[in-house]
Amino acid sequence: QQQVKQSPQSLIVQKGGISIINCAYENTAFDYFPWYQQFPGKGPALLIAIRPDVSEKKEGRFTISFNKSAKQFSLHIMDSQPGDSATYFCATPGGSYIPTFGRGTSLIVHP
Amino acid sequence: EAQVTQNPRYLITVTGKKLTVTCSQNMNHEYMSWYRQDPGLGLRQIYYSMNVEVTDKGDVPEGYKVSRKEKRNFPLILESPSPNQTSLYFCASSFAGGGSPLHFGNGTRLTVT
Repeated sequence: QQQVKQSPQSLIVQKGGISIINCAYENTAFDYFPWYQQFPGKGPALLIAIRPDVSEKKEGRFTISFNKSAKQFSLHIMDSQPGDSATYFCATPGGSYIPTFGRGTSLIVHP
Repeated sequence: EAQVTQNPRYLITVTGKKLTVTCSQNMNHEYMSWYRQDPGLGLRQIYYSMNVEVTDKGDVPEGYKVSRKEKRNFPLILESPSPNQTSLYFCASSFAGGGSPLHFGNGTRLTVT
């Protein structure tokens, strides 16, 4: 069973601060590393993803950093906003064709 | 609009009464899957399907059944629900399995008393 270790479990930051969430995996069947964002009452939705031909990908205030040798990738949220308050999940495909998810990080951004 | 539709959104039932949660996608995706979400445990995969008539167990398949008779539909069946199956369930689909984004439904909150 694929292990995906996500940390921290919860995170509280002030508006304007930087939020950092980490994910470590054991192996992967696909070169695709996504982060999903989930708001209460909704299903998760793709936020940003990276393929390991690059070590970093930035989309607006969101950045993925990828370290293939360490089998880790992280999500950085710059200038965090109250609207970013949500649960975030990393995912890796592991040995099956459908991703295994981390346990999630509950982010609260205080105004 | 591209979407994954689950029904019902909320369901309360009693132990042992068979139920089905439906899932339908309109994106012509080959890959579909079911997850359950529990506090502190994240999203755990129940079953997945790589194409019509092709299904396989995920990490927590006990007590669940699925079928994939049509490409767009992937129902989740609980033949004899038990209280430990009280959870939030999500159906998802993708174009290329783990190598492409998953599209999720809005979830079904099931309570088994």
